[in-house]
This record gives sequence, structure tokens and C-alpha cells, in this order.
Amino acid sequence: QLQLQESGPGLVKPSETLSLTCTVSGGSISTSYYYWGWIRQPPGKGLEWIGSISYSGRTYYNPSLKSRVTISADTSNNQFSLKLSSVTAADTAVYYCARHRIVGATPRPWFDAWGLGTLVTVSS
Amino acid sequence: QSAMTQPASVSGSPGQSITISCTGTSSDVGGYNYVSWYQQHPGKAPKLMIYDVTNRPSGVSNRFSGSKSGNTASLTISGLQAEDEADYYCCSYTSSSSLFVFGSGTKVTVL
Repeated sequence: QLQLQESGPGLVKPSETLSLTCTVSGGSISTSYYYWGWIRQPPGKGLEWIGSISYSGRTYYNPSLKSRVTISADTSNNQFSLKLSSVTAADTAVYYCARHRIVGATPRPWFDAWGLGTLVTVSS
Repeated sequence: QSAMTQPASVSGSPGQSITISCTGTSSDVGGYNYVSWYQQHPGKAPKLMIYDVTNRPSGVSNRFSGSKSGNTASLTISGLQAEDEADYYCCSYTSSSSLFVFGSGTKVTVL
């Protein structure tokens, strides 16, 4: 059974870089059928897609965050990572990693496997 | 890319049917049959309930169904049960500069 697990600091200072890793077990990220994405949810608010990556390294980013986001994949360790630079209090959120399908050449919003989520607080 | 519009809350009694709407644009909901729906209980990760407008993943109750008309997608829950009380989000592929856009979310209350 596929499992995803987020890891990283729970507290980040303003202006610094938030770094999270998602470790995938029970399946390989090196598949052409899926992309691997990050979604966040500020406390008490809705979901926001941050970005996604294929095992080959093709990335898509939310344009509202694109200038600050980098998503990378480490196929040897079956992990993918998120870096968000110049964080502010507005970046405080639960961050989820998740898997979604690609059919043909089109990524689909079928997020069918999720991590438990990790709360990242931006505060000095 | 702004979030798609969902009603903030919907309620119903056990056994009733309710429908949650998700209004987007011709660049997302109206342009593609790539709409999914998620159920999220407090403190839990979202769960995929519907994909590609009408399809249910294996294991999801057939009390959940999806549809679309124009720029609006809908999720219907029939035979409402206490365990259906949760937040629900739609998500669509978009041809705008983004890739995916989520809806604003709807809190479902079982009376």
C-alpha cells in the first residue's frame, strides 16, 4: 500500500526558506503514470495547490508562488522535496504531499494518495 | 487564478440528498471534464471521492455522485449519513497559467 510521509522543520523564521521532503513507500515515484505534488492549507482555510513534479523532473507551479517555489525529485531515495523561499506568516499552513495521475500528456487532478500533512509555522 | 466558488455551507437531515456546487470558468470547469471532489474530516488529509466529473474511485460509496453543466460542477450526496459531515472541495484542471485550481470549500452539516 502506497504511503507518503512529509518531514521537515515545524517552525521557520520569516524571510528564511521552508524545506520539506516527502518520502514515498510501497511504490516507486519513477512511474510515468503519476506526478507528485504539494498542497497546503492555512489554518481554518481551504486547499491551495503549490506545484507538481514528474519523476523525470518536469515541474508545474502555481503562478502565485512560482517565484519562490522549487520542487525536486530524488528517485534514488524515492523522495520529492519542496523549497519555499522568503516565507512570511502567510505561508503558515499544513503542507501535504500527494500523488496525482497523468493521462496521455495531461496531468489530472486525481490526488488519490496523500501524506498525513505537516504543520509549518512561520514565526520569529 | 482565484479559487472556484463553492457555497460556504450546506446542511441536510439523515437520509436526505444534498448537492454542492462548484462554479468556475470556461478555462477550467467549463472547458474540461477534469473535475475532482475531496472529502476532508477535521485534522485529516483530504480523500478523493470523485474524479473526471463523474467517476468514483474504488471503495467510495455510490451515495456520492458527480455531474457538470457548463461552468458549474456538482457533488450530490444521497442518503445523507452522520459520517458525511465534513468539508468538501472541488478541484479542476485549468488552461490558465496554473495547472490546478481548488474550490473555496463547503462545510456539510448533518442535522
